[in-house]
Amino acid sequence: NAGVTQTPKFQVLKTGQSMTLQCAQDMNHNSMYWYRQDPGMGLRLIYYSASEGTTDKGEVPNGYNVSRLNKREFSLRLESAAPSQTSVYFCASSITRWNTGELFFGEGSRLTVL
Amino acid sequence: QKEVEQNSGPLSVPEGAIASLNCTYSDRGSQSFFWYRQYSGKSPELIMSIYSNGDKEDGRFTAQLNKASQYVSLLIRDSQPSDSATYLCKVYGNTGKLIFGQGTTLQVKP
Repeated sequence: NAGVTQTPKFQVLKTGQSMTLQCAQDMNHNSMYWYRQDPGMGLRLIYYSASEGTTDKGEVPNGYNVSRLNKREFSLRLESAAPSQTSVYFCASSITRWNTGELFFGEGSRLTVL
Repeated sequence: QKEVEQNSGPLSVPEGAIASLNCTYSDRGSQSFFWYRQYSGKSPELIMSIYSNGDKEDGRFTAQLNKASQYVSLLIRDSQPSDSATYLCKVYGNTGKLIFGQGTTLQVKP
């Protein structure tokens, strides 16, 4: 039982390049989330998907797009990467949006934009 | 004012002491409160949740909630070096927002 799996774990991009972070969960959770974590800033919500077929903006959505491909998969796309997007990205899932108890996190993806 | 505030630390305590971690929040209608632990280079994991005023104990951990004063705290008794980590407070607000604090780094010295 893998839980939440993110790929890639590390990525270096040049300014202006695009990339997609992939996330999959095998816990049959309805809700999925993308967070970024920067030193001294805690975890900030980029986008979330309360259920399959829906996506909503979080605190810091600018420069990102998401796709809830199916119940298991939720991807995050950077269309034109900027140095300000250098961060550690975490995907997470929970049973439902309104079950605000436990978030299950992936291992994180460390992105550097040069 | 940040919606959820924590002292970033580091908070340093000797082994065996009580570590006290605090979190304040601005949304008076907040309903649910959570503490996550994050080891360096790892992902966060839930250790405690609390929904009503008072104390909630789980092993060496006690969460305390005071909605009137808008703070939630985490006490770790008999602190161990393995407790050294960053502790994140998460608040579910009345507006439906889930907000994390910036985290407090705890160092437990042998």
